Amino acid sequence: AQTVTQSQPEMSVQEAETVTLSCTYDTSESDYYLFWYKQPPSRQMILVIRQEAYKQQNATENRFSVNFQKAAKSFSLKISDSQLGDAAMYFCAYRILRFGNEKLTFGTGTRLTIIP
Amino acid sequence: NAGVTQTPKFRILKIGQSMTLQCTQDMNHNYMYWYRQDPGMGLKLIYYSVGAGITDKGEVPNGYNVSRSTTEDFPLRLELAAPSQTSVYFCASSSAGLSIATNEKLFFGSGTQLSVL
Repeated sequence: AQTVTQSQPEMSVQEAETVTLSCTYDTSESDYYLFWYKQPPSRQMILVIRQEAYKQQNATENRFSVNFQKAAKSFSLKISDSQLGDAAMYFCAYRILRFGNEKLTFGTGTRLTIIP
Repeated sequence: NAGVTQTPKFRILKIGQSMTLQCTQDMNHNYMYWYRQDPGMGLKLIYYSVGAGITDKGEVPNGYNVSRSTTEDFPLRLELAAPSQTSVYFCASSSAGLSIATNEKLFFGSGTQLSVL
């Protein structure tokens, strides 16, 4: 069974600093996607960044970037120049790349606090 | 720009009661999903639908039913509410299925907080 583990229930960072959220996953599949979702207090889930397992290059989206280590099954999210609006729960998620598979497996989340 | 709309936002049920969680989207998305989020846990897929008239089970379908009579609406029904169904429920939609879209985006509603006492 596929599992996603986020070992940091809570993290905090000073505004304008950089923070890294950790995620590890367990799978026997070779083709899959990895995601980071943000859930602000409004509860709506927002896609932050996506990484295809077959790509060696780490994905980046403005201030958000990932460190994808396929052999180690590690997928961390780095947030640079942290802003107050980044405060939220962050969920790591995984999906097997297979036609007909609609299942996303989520980790338990990391609550990020931004200190002004 | 309504996106995915869920109602109600909060609800308290007594054990054994039934209710329907409503979900509607105005983006003409074929794929719709229901997730539940238990405290301190990630989301788990309950049911999903790939188009009107077609539904399929996810990870945790027991105790729930769904229907998809129109593209816009995907209601989730609890027939005999149990305390184990206390959770936050999220509806989501996608233009193409996650398994075939090259740039899939999952649009989530803001959730329904359900307590069964």
